[in-house]
Amino acid sequence: GENVGLHLPTLSVQEGDNSIINCAYSNSASDYFIWYKQESGKGPQFIIDIRSNMDKRQGQRVTVLLNKTVKHLSLQIAATQPGDSAVYFCAENPAGTALIFGKGTTLSVSS
Amino acid sequence: GAVVSQHPSWVICKSGTSVKIECRSLDFQATTMFWYRQFPKQSLMLMATSNEGSKATYEQGVEKDKFLINHASLTLSTLTVTSAHPEDSSFYICSARVWGVMNEQYFGPGTRLTVT
Repeated sequence: GENVGLHLPTLSVQEGDNSIINCAYSNSASDYFIWYKQESGKGPQFIIDIRSNMDKRQGQRVTVLLNKTVKHLSLQIAATQPGDSAVYFCAENPAGTALIFGKGTTLSVSS
Repeated sequence: GAVVSQHPSWVICKSGTSVKIECRSLDFQATTMFWYRQFPKQSLMLMATSNEGSKATYEQGVEKDKFLINHASLTLSTLTVTSAHPEDSSFYICSARVWGVMNEQYFGPGTRLTVT
């Protein structure tokens, strides 16, 4: 099933379930947001992004939702697979500056 | 496209020595490169922003004399950890921003530094 709530350091789901990973960002000036997936010992891998003039964007099996009112970002993964197990980071990008990363959520998918 | 490489992928050095890490954008020109440090089970922390041909901008708390950054071309930035200590052991990751496209950044695979 879905796991909805505040930012959690870990999220465990069964294969085939939908996953929801939440993130709160800090800078009201941020106009671009990205979700990254990081596997152990590797660099961050781009998943999906969204600009501040949108509130939803869909990719393949993933959806990002942006709520600027409460400065909240979420990543939804449909039909989660074991290969989705990784640490997921949200990142915000105040215009023209470097990315600021959130704390990360470890997603564990069991078969 | 948009591949960023780092070399070496891992390195072990003795305390007091210096280590150089290279970050290259392989198929694009990077206006800006960023260096991050990541400790186990923690997030990426920005160390410095490096623009080609100019001095790097360091984040608060990052010693510029210890972490030397050189950005000699639009495809290469280097980070040198000088007089390394065990507490410098970490995962160092660079990213490169595409020339002319403000928001797109691509990350390298990271370099694992262990100081003994």
